[in-house]
Amino acid sequence: DTGVSQNPRHKITKRGQNVTFRCDPISEHNRLYWYRQTLGQGPEFLTYFQNEAQLEKSRLLSDRFSAERPKGSFSTLEIQRTEQGDSAMYLCASSARGSNQPQHFGDGTRLSIL
Amino acid sequence: DQQVKQNSPSLSVQEGRISILNCDYTNSMFDYFLWYKKYPAEGPTFLISISSIKDKNEDGRFTVFLNKSAKHLSLHIVPSQPGDSAVYFCAASPNTGNQFYFGTGTSLTVIP
Repeated sequence: DTGVSQNPRHKITKRGQNVTFRCDPISEHNRLYWYRQTLGQGPEFLTYFQNEAQLEKSRLLSDRFSAERPKGSFSTLEIQRTEQGDSAMYLCASSARGSNQPQHFGDGTRLSIL
Repeated sequence: DQQVKQNSPSLSVQEGRISILNCDYTNSMFDYFLWYKKYPAEGPTFLISISSIKDKNEDGRFTVFLNKSAKHLSLHIVPSQPGDSAVYFCAASPNTGNQFYFGTGTSLTVIP
C-alpha cells in the first residue's frame, strides 16, 4: 500500500493561466474524490468518481474546473483561467468499494495564484 | 451552511490526561462518521470511524462516541501523548451519497 500520491506538491502560477494536478489513488480503490481546503476550514467536496465515471459534482466546481479519470486509475483536475480565489490546497482521496469505507487522503497540491 | 461543526478551534491538554474533542452535526441523514488527524503540510490521516448503528467504537487509545439524539459525536484520546498534537477533523457522510462533510477542525496541543 503506497498511499495516495499527488503531484505536484506546490504550484505557483499567474492569474489567468491554466493548471493541472494529478492524483494516483491506492491501487485497489475504485472510488476517487477531489476536495479543496482553505485556511481555517475543513476539506470541501468538489467531485467524486467511481471507476472512470464522474458521479457527483459540487456546485463549488465552476465551469473553469474539469476533472477526469480515464481508465479508472489516476485522475487529473484542471483549472482554466485561474483566479485569485482559486488559491487553496487541493486534496485527493480514495476509498475501497462497499459502504462505510473511510477515505484515505494524499498530501495535497498547494496552489498559489500571483 | 456548515452541516458539521467543531466549535472549539483549539484545545490544550497535559500529557497523560484525557483529550476530548467534540463535533455536532445538523443533517439527520448522516449515518457514517469519522475522525481525521492532520499534521502541517500533510493530508488528513484516517483515525477512527463509527456507523450510526453503534454508539461507541474503540481503537487503542482512541474512542469515538455517537449520540444520535443530540446529533453529537466526540473523540476521546487516553492517555494523550505529545505526538497527538495536530488538527483533528470530524467528518460525516449521508447514507444516500458519497461525499463527506468536514468540520473546521480543532487544534490539539499536548503539553509534555
